[in-house]
Amino acid sequence: EDQVTQSPEALRLQEGESSSLNCSYTVSGLRGLFWYRQDPGKGPEFLFTLYSAGEEKEKERLKATLTKKESFLHITAPKPEDSATYLCAVQAYTGNQFYFGTGTSLTVIP
Amino acid sequence: DVKVTQSSRYLVKRTGEKVFLECVQDMDHENMFWYRQDPGLGLRLIYFSYDVKMKEKGDIPEGYSVSREKKERFSLILESASTNQTSMYLCASSLYGQEGKTQYFGPGTRLLVL
Repeated sequence: EDQVTQSPEALRLQEGESSSLNCSYTVSGLRGLFWYRQDPGKGPEFLFTLYSAGEEKEKERLKATLTKKESFLHITAPKPEDSATYLCAVQAYTGNQFYFGTGTSLTVIP
Repeated sequence: DVKVTQSSRYLVKRTGEKVFLECVQDMDHENMFWYRQDPGLGLRLIYFSYDVKMKEKGDIPEGYSVSREKKERFSLILESASTNQTSMYLCASSLYGQEGKTQYFGPGTRLLVL
């Protein structure tokens, strides 16, 4: 069964304290792995798509990496405006469905 | 920029009412999706559509139906609203492709059923 697990559920960081969020997945043939940011009361906002093991993508303070079983979202020197819930999703080759994790709620304290 | 719009940001309905949620995308995407999002449960797929007039059930289709008469528009219908359908409803769209194609989300509709 295709599934996605994110950890930790919640993370509190001091401003400038770098850390990583984890997304472990089980899927029968990965078509793509997606990271989203979601602010309270809003729809998820697309961050990155990764397709194959070894791939990396960067945007400002965020860097996403992918292995055959998991993906990491590295946050370097976070700022309070990085506070949000970060969602991971995978799409398998079988079907059009996306499978989402339950997210990591990140709080960055000034 | 891809834009996905949803007809309402907030809705309050009574138990038993028929509820229509509309979603429109402007990027000629083949795929459209309806999710609900509840605390601790994440996003759960209700229905998706990969073409006009085509639909497939997701993980939690009970109590819902959908309509896709035009490529850009995907409607979610609650035939007889119940309190356990109080939730945040999110619409998304994506291109179809062998390589995974990003889903783009609308702003969400927060539905309260009294």
